[in-house]
Amino acid sequence: GAVVSQHPSRVICKSGTSVKIECRSLDFQATTMFWYRQFPKKSLMLMATSNEGSKATYEQGVEKDKFLINHASLTLSTLTVTSAHPEDSSFYICSARLAAVGDYDDNEQFFGPGTRLTVL
Amino acid sequence: AQSVTQLDSHVSVSEGTPVLLRCNYSSSYSPSLFWYVQHPNKGLQLLLKYTSAATLVKGINGFEAEFKKSETSFHLTKPSAHMSDAAEYFCVVSVNFGNEKLTFGTGTRLTIIP
Repeated sequence: GAVVSQHPSRVICKSGTSVKIECRSLDFQATTMFWYRQFPKKSLMLMATSNEGSKATYEQGVEKDKFLINHASLTLSTLTVTSAHPEDSSFYICSARLAAVGDYDDNEQFFGPGTRLTVL
Repeated sequence: AQSVTQLDSHVSVSEGTPVLLRCNYSSSYSPSLFWYVQHPNKGLQLLLKYTSAATLVKGINGFEAEFKKSETSFHLTKPSAHMSDAAEYFCVVSVNFGNEKLTFGTGTRLTIIP
């Protein structure tokens, strides 16, 4: 159980276009989802925390108008990279936290497989 | 503030020999500490976690880690490496008090030599 999927796994787009990445919790409900960015040979950097039904909380230095996050349901959060530029090329990873205590620690995050974005 | 330092960016061991991946942490409060593994094209998987209970934590796939407050360390070990252990490993710290934010180390790539 506790599987998180991301779609697409890879995307290539032209500079100036927008790209939407989906993050889904497949077998559990997630009140909170997190979006990370991972640079080559670098650590994961938290971009924003997304709570179902409310506005996302962005980390310092992350442009909220460029990285639009929507957490419309307990199983889906989306990240839209608007007006993408080559410097936005990266590996984007989401994670989801269980809504309720059950078989899992209620603070454990389950990670998706990531989305590789390449902006030409 | 909290941070983690993974002391080795790359570790190579022969199959069947012990594995040691080093991690030091810094935290103003009592930390929760985690080790995650990342295989290519797969999501990060939790290996084990420390949350102020037993200082020696056993995880999946034969891995374990020991929380040493005096040394601010949380090193990951395994007695005998397997080819399937080749992956990227991340040491992660989180501070409680309702803060679920995870702070990741820079990762250690583990290579297993046949």
